Amino acid sequence: ETGVTQSPTHLIKTRGQQVTLRCSSQSGHNTVSWYQQALGQGPQFIFQYYREEENGRGNFPPRFSGLQFPNYSSELNVNALELDDSALYLCASRDEGRYNEQFFGPGTRLTVL
Amino acid sequence: GIQVEQSPPDLILQEGANSTLRCNFSDSVNNLQWFHQNPWGQLINLFYIPSGTKQNGRLSATTVATERYSLLYISSSQTTDSGVYFCAVEQGKAAGNKLTFGGGTRVLVKP
Repeated sequence: ETGVTQSPTHLIKTRGQQVTLRCSSQSGHNTVSWYQQALGQGPQFIFQYYREEENGRGNFPPRFSGLQFPNYSSELNVNALELDDSALYLCASRDEGRYNEQFFGPGTRLTVL
Repeated sequence: GIQVEQSPPDLILQEGANSTLRCNFSDSVNNLQWFHQNPWGQLINLFYIPSGTKQNGRLSATTVATERYSLLYISSSQTTDSGVYFCAVEQGKAAGNKLTFGGGTRVLVKP
Protein backbone atom coordinates (compact mmCIF):
# COMPACT_ATOMS: atom_id res chain seq x y z
CA GLU A 1 0.00 0.00 0.00
CA THR A 2 1.55 3.26 -1.12
CA GLY A 3 -1.40 5.47 -0.19
CA VAL A 4 -1.72 6.55 -3.85
CA THR A 5 -4.99 5.58 -5.51
CA GLN A 6 -6.09 5.74 -9.14
CA SER A 7 -9.39 5.41 -10.96
CA PRO A 8 -10.67 3.76 -12.97
CA THR A 9 -8.73 0.48 -12.96
CA HIS A 10 -9.50 -0.31 -16.59
CA LEU A 11 -10.95 1.74 -19.42
CA ILE A 12 -11.82 1.04 -23.05
CA LYS A 13 -12.20 3.92 -25.50
CA THR A 14 -12.34 4.31 -29.26
CA ARG A 15 -9.98 6.32 -31.44
CA GLY A 16 -10.73 10.05 -31.42
CA GLN A 17 -12.45 10.05 -28.02
CA GLN A 18 -11.28 11.91 -24.92
CA VAL A 19 -10.43 10.35 -21.55
CA THR A 20 -9.86 11.58 -17.98
CA LEU A 21 -7.87 9.54 -15.49
CA ARG A 22 -7.76 10.37 -11.79
CA CYS A 23 -5.19 10.09 -9.05
CA SER A 24 -5.32 10.73 -5.33
CA SER A 25 -1.91 11.44 -3.84
CA GLN A 26 -0.54 10.13 -0.60
CA SER A 27 -1.55 12.38 2.29
CA GLY A 28 0.80 15.34 2.70
CA HIS A 29 2.42 14.95 -0.73
CA ASN A 30 2.52 18.18 -2.75
CA THR A 31 3.88 16.80 -6.02
CA VAL A 32 2.27 14.42 -8.49
CA SER A 33 3.75 12.96 -11.68
CA TRP A 34 2.16 10.95 -14.47
CA TYR A 35 3.83 8.17 -16.47
CA GLN A 36 2.82 6.10 -19.49
CA GLN A 37 3.96 2.48 -19.66
CA ALA A 38 3.56 0.66 -22.96
CA LEU A 39 3.58 -3.13 -22.95
CA GLY A 40 7.04 -4.55 -22.32
CA GLN A 41 8.68 -1.18 -21.65
CA GLY A 42 9.61 0.98 -18.70
CA PRO A 43 7.38 3.89 -17.68
CA GLN A 44 7.85 7.16 -19.60
CA PHE A 45 7.44 10.54 -17.87
CA ILE A 46 4.49 12.62 -19.09
CA PHE A 47 4.49 15.61 -16.72
CA GLN A 48 4.70 16.73 -13.11
CA TYR A 49 2.62 19.14 -11.02
CA TYR A 50 3.78 20.94 -7.91
CA ARG A 51 1.24 22.99 -5.96
CA GLU A 52 -1.15 23.05 -8.92
CA GLU A 53 1.46 24.25 -11.45
CA GLU A 54 3.07 22.11 -14.16
CA ASN A 55 6.83 22.15 -13.46
CA GLY A 56 8.17 19.46 -15.76
CA ARG A 57 7.06 17.82 -18.99
CA GLY A 58 8.28 14.87 -21.02
CA ASN A 59 8.13 14.32 -24.77
CA PHE A 60 4.34 14.11 -25.09
CA PRO A 61 2.08 16.21 -27.36
CA PRO A 62 -0.23 18.94 -26.02
CA ARG A 63 -3.27 16.66 -26.26
CA PHE A 64 -1.93 15.20 -23.00
CA SER A 65 -2.86 17.69 -20.29
CA GLY A 66 -3.28 17.66 -16.55
CA LEU A 67 -4.61 19.34 -13.47
CA GLN A 68 -3.70 19.24 -9.82
CA PHE A 69 -6.26 20.36 -7.24
CA PRO A 70 -5.79 22.08 -3.85
CA ASN A 71 -6.34 18.75 -2.09
CA TYR A 72 -3.42 17.39 -4.22
CA SER A 73 -5.63 15.05 -6.24
CA SER A 74 -4.84 15.11 -9.94
CA GLU A 75 -6.25 14.40 -13.39
CA LEU A 76 -4.65 13.33 -16.65
CA ASN A 77 -6.66 14.25 -19.75
CA VAL A 78 -5.96 12.85 -23.19
CA ASN A 79 -7.78 14.25 -26.23
CA ALA A 80 -8.16 12.76 -29.70
CA LEU A 81 -7.13 9.28 -28.56
CA GLU A 82 -4.88 7.27 -30.85
CA LEU A 83 -4.32 3.51 -30.91
CA ASP A 84 -0.76 4.04 -29.58
CA ASP A 85 -2.19 5.65 -26.43
CA SER A 86 -3.12 2.16 -25.25
CA ALA A 87 -0.96 1.69 -22.16
CA LEU A 88 -0.82 1.53 -18.37
CA TYR A 89 -0.98 5.05 -16.92
CA LEU A 90 0.71 5.48 -13.55
CA CYS A 91 0.70 8.39 -11.18
CA ALA A 92 3.28 8.97 -8.50
CA SER A 93 3.39 11.35 -5.56
CA ARG A 94 6.02 12.70 -3.22
CA ASP A 95 6.63 15.44 -0.70
CA GLU A 96 9.00 17.60 -2.73
CA GLY A 97 11.45 19.55 -0.64
CA ARG A 98 11.36 17.03 2.13
CA TYR A 99 11.76 13.56 0.67
CA ASN A 100 12.55 12.74 -2.94
CA GLU A 101 11.26 9.17 -2.95
CA GLN A 102 8.30 8.70 -5.28
CA PHE A 103 5.37 6.37 -4.56
CA PHE A 104 3.22 4.95 -7.36
CA GLY A 105 -0.44 4.16 -7.61
CA PRO A 106 -1.77 0.87 -9.04
CA GLY A 107 -2.32 2.36 -12.50
CA THR A 108 -5.14 2.66 -15.02
CA ARG A 109 -5.00 0.33 -18.00
CA LEU A 110 -6.34 2.18 -21.07
CA THR A 111 -7.25 0.33 -24.24
CA VAL A 112 -7.98 2.35 -27.39
CA LEU A 113 -9.84 0.49 -30.13
CA GLY B 1 18.93 12.91 -21.93
CA ILE B 2 20.29 10.44 -19.44
CA GLN B 3 20.45 6.78 -20.47
CA VAL B 4 19.62 3.98 -18.03
CA GLU B 5 20.54 0.43 -18.94
CA GLN B 6 19.62 -2.66 -16.96
CA SER B 7 21.11 -6.11 -17.24
CA PRO B 8 20.36 -8.86 -17.75
CA PRO B 9 17.05 -8.28 -19.56
CA ASP B 10 15.77 -11.69 -18.49
CA LEU B 11 16.70 -13.97 -15.61
CA ILE B 12 15.43 -17.45 -14.79
CA LEU B 13 16.25 -18.72 -11.33
CA GLN B 14 15.65 -21.87 -9.37
CA GLU B 15 14.01 -21.21 -6.02
CA GLY B 16 16.70 -20.64 -3.39
CA ALA B 17 19.26 -19.21 -5.81
CA ASN B 18 20.98 -15.85 -5.45
CA SER B 19 21.18 -13.21 -8.18
CA THR B 20 22.52 -9.76 -8.99
CA LEU B 21 20.76 -7.20 -11.17
CA ARG B 22 22.71 -4.26 -12.56
CA CYS B 23 21.73 -0.69 -13.48
CA ASN B 24 24.13 1.60 -15.35
CA PHE B 25 23.40 5.28 -15.93
CA SER B 26 25.13 7.74 -18.19
CA ASP B 27 25.25 10.90 -16.06
CA SER B 28 25.27 12.05 -12.44
CA VAL B 29 22.00 11.64 -10.57
CA ASN B 30 20.35 13.05 -7.45
CA ASN B 31 18.13 10.09 -6.77
CA LEU B 32 17.92 6.41 -7.63
CA GLN B 33 15.09 4.02 -6.87
CA TRP B 34 14.59 0.29 -7.39
CA PHE B 35 11.06 -1.01 -7.99
CA HIS B 36 9.43 -4.40 -8.35
CA GLN B 37 6.45 -4.45 -10.71
CA ASN B 38 3.96 -7.17 -9.90
CA PRO B 39 1.80 -8.92 -12.53
CA TRP B 40 -1.01 -6.41 -11.96
CA GLY B 41 1.25 -3.47 -12.79
CA GLN B 42 1.80 -2.06 -9.32
CA LEU B 43 5.27 -0.58 -8.84
CA ILE B 44 6.47 -1.52 -5.38
CA ASN B 45 9.24 0.55 -3.83
CA LEU B 46 12.23 -1.58 -2.92
CA PHE B 47 14.98 0.96 -2.27
CA TYR B 48 15.58 4.68 -2.42
CA ILE B 49 19.36 4.63 -2.76
CA PRO B 50 21.17 7.55 -4.42
CA SER B 51 24.40 6.26 -2.87
CA GLY B 52 25.67 3.66 -0.42
CA THR B 53 24.29 0.28 0.60
CA LYS B 54 20.95 -0.73 2.08
CA GLN B 55 19.42 -4.04 3.08
CA ASN B 56 15.83 -5.11 3.54
CA GLY B 57 15.39 -8.78 4.36
CA ARG B 58 16.59 -10.93 1.47
CA LEU B 59 17.13 -7.90 -0.74
CA SER B 60 20.01 -5.48 -0.67
CA ALA B 61 21.21 -2.71 -2.97
CA THR B 62 24.41 -0.78 -3.55
CA THR B 63 24.84 2.41 -5.55
CA VAL B 64 28.29 3.68 -6.54
CA ALA B 65 27.35 7.14 -7.77
CA THR B 66 30.88 8.10 -8.82
CA GLU B 67 31.01 5.10 -11.17
CA ARG B 68 27.38 5.48 -12.26
CA TYR B 69 25.95 2.10 -11.42
CA SER B 70 23.71 0.37 -8.92
CA LEU B 71 23.29 -3.30 -8.03
CA LEU B 72 20.29 -5.12 -6.60
CA TYR B 73 20.97 -8.42 -4.85
CA ILE B 74 18.30 -11.06 -4.34
CA SER B 75 19.27 -13.86 -1.98
CA SER B 76 17.46 -17.17 -1.43
CA SER B 77 14.98 -16.30 -4.16
CA GLN B 78 11.31 -17.27 -3.81
CA THR B 79 8.58 -17.66 -6.43
CA THR B 80 7.02 -14.44 -5.14
CA ASP B 81 10.15 -12.59 -6.31
CA SER B 82 9.05 -13.14 -9.91
CA GLY B 83 8.18 -10.01 -11.85
CA VAL B 84 9.96 -7.10 -13.47
CA TYR B 85 12.57 -5.09 -11.60
CA PHE B 86 13.10 -1.48 -12.63
CA CYS B 87 15.83 0.96 -11.79
CA ALA B 88 14.89 4.65 -12.11
CA VAL B 89 17.03 7.76 -11.73
CA GLU B 90 16.34 11.45 -11.28
CA GLN B 91 18.66 14.34 -12.05
CA GLY B 92 16.75 17.19 -10.41
CA LYS B 93 14.86 20.32 -11.43
CA ALA B 94 17.15 21.27 -14.31
CA ALA B 95 16.34 17.95 -15.98
CA GLY B 96 12.60 18.25 -15.47
CA ASN B 97 12.03 16.57 -12.11
CA LYS B 98 11.39 13.25 -13.76
CA LEU B 99 12.28 9.67 -13.06
CA THR B 100 13.97 8.02 -16.05
CA PHE B 101 13.47 4.27 -16.04
CA GLY B 102 15.64 1.52 -17.40
CA GLY B 103 14.16 -1.22 -19.57
CA GLY B 104 13.78 -3.57 -16.63
CA THR B 105 14.94 -7.07 -15.75
CA ARG B 106 12.26 -9.74 -16.04
CA VAL B 107 12.79 -12.35 -13.32
CA LEU B 108 11.17 -15.75 -13.21
CA VAL B 109 11.76 -17.90 -10.13
CA LYS B 110 10.88 -21.56 -10.68
CA PRO B 111 9.84 -23.82 -7.77
